[in-house]
Amino acid sequence: KAGVTQTPRYLIKTRGQQVTLSCSPISGHRSVSWYQQTPGQGLQFLFEYFSETQRNKGNFPGRFSGRQFSNSRSEMNVSTLELGDSALYLCASSSLSSGRPYEQYFGPGTRLTVT
Amino acid sequence: GQSLEQPSEVTAVEGAIVQINCTYQTSGFYGLSWYQQHDGGAPTFLSYNALDGLEETGRFSSFLSRSDSYGYLLLQELQMKDSASYFCAGYNTDKLIFGTGTRLQVFP
Repeated sequence: KAGVTQTPRYLIKTRGQQVTLSCSPISGHRSVSWYQQTPGQGLQFLFEYFSETQRNKGNFPGRFSGRQFSNSRSEMNVSTLELGDSALYLCASSSLSSGRPYEQYFGPGTRLTVT
Repeated sequence: GQSLEQPSEVTAVEGAIVQINCTYQTSGFYGLSWYQQHDGGAPTFLSYNALDGLEETGRFSSFLSRSDSYGYLLLQELQMKDSASYFCAGYNTDKLIFGTGTRLQVFP
């Protein structure tokens, strides 16, 4: 089985711009979560989607949004980028039917740099 | 709020045993997970404790005490490849809340 894939792997944007990141989960996984990782704040939960519905949201401003498609692929969008949004954005998928929803499989991440 | 605290760094030598602690201040966690992340890599799942007690998976064991809001990851027979960051994570209703992370350095 192919792992979780994320595109692009690296991205440089300017303050005020917006960005869209993409995540393809492991085949059969319908739950997709997004995390932001920074040296200062660690790994922080952004949101989780299941069957195209956002079920959980972390403590991030409304500039951060996401969606999930019928094939379970997910995108996250950050609008009006700020310098502090520079981070590694990780996507993770899990299978609820496996009985192990706590076992999340992470993609390699998208390294976003805001200048 | 929910928070999970870990020591920032731990060092050990090859072949030794090391314990990485995780204390949390929250309620409602279904269980505690542990993830490993090598520099430049993605976090990978190591173990999960749904119940109090010890779970063993090869060289790694994980322990949970809900009454003490405390857990730990025990790594035995350390190898150089174990040098990485380790995160505890509380699992609660389809989301993981990660701890502050512990960087483990293994020396020859």
